Amino acid sequence: GNSVTQMEGPVTLSEEAFLTINCTYTATGYPSLFWYVQYPGEGLQLLLKATKADDKGSNKGFEATYRKETTSFHLEKGSVQVSDSAVYFCALKANAGKSTFGDGTTLTVKP
Amino acid sequence: DGGITQSPKYLFRKEGQNVTLSCEQNLNHDAMYWYRQDPGQGLRLIYYSQIVNDFQKGDIAEGYSVSREKKESFPLTVTSAQKNPTAFYLCASSPGQDTGELFFGEGSRLTVL
Repeated sequence: GNSVTQMEGPVTLSEEAFLTINCTYTATGYPSLFWYVQYPGEGLQLLLKATKADDKGSNKGFEATYRKETTSFHLEKGSVQVSDSAVYFCALKANAGKSTFGDGTTLTVKP
Repeated sequence: DGGITQSPKYLFRKEGQNVTLSCEQNLNHDAMYWYRQDPGQGLRLIYYSQIVNDFQKGDIAEGYSVSREKKESFPLTVTSAQKNPTAFYLCASSPGQDTGELFFGEGSRLTVL
């Protein structure tokens, strides 16, 4: 079956530090890949997505590139802010229409 | 504004009671989903529906039931058969089964006393 493995957290960074959260996946077919963000007490929001190999998704300074050869979709941001503190989920959606989520990585950014 | 509304936001229940969580969307989406989230874990799929009057079990359907009588509504009942119901429940929708991202509600936190 499909699966998503995320870098374990929690991750704590100082403001303006570089962020990487690793995500690798296994899937049959050609999945679409997503990063979602969850702020405390809220639902998930789409952060960015990529639908085919070598696509780069980007939003709010975050980026991730769909790497088929390494089955990865790592999330990066060059300079994090306190407001980026949240839980980040990597996910894939394959042909069956159901999404598969990683366990989430909690990011805390300190001023 | 278009979106997904879940209610109640917080719910307390005594053991042995059934409870129903509401999920309403005005996005005109065909597909709707219920997920359960436990601390430190990812989202686990309970039930999903791709069209009105049809739904399928997800990975952890035991102890839960749903209905999809209207396109905009997908209520979830947590029955007394669910052995560990305390969790955060998330409803989501998407335009169709093959379409990409999910749109989430703000969640309902159920606590069994």
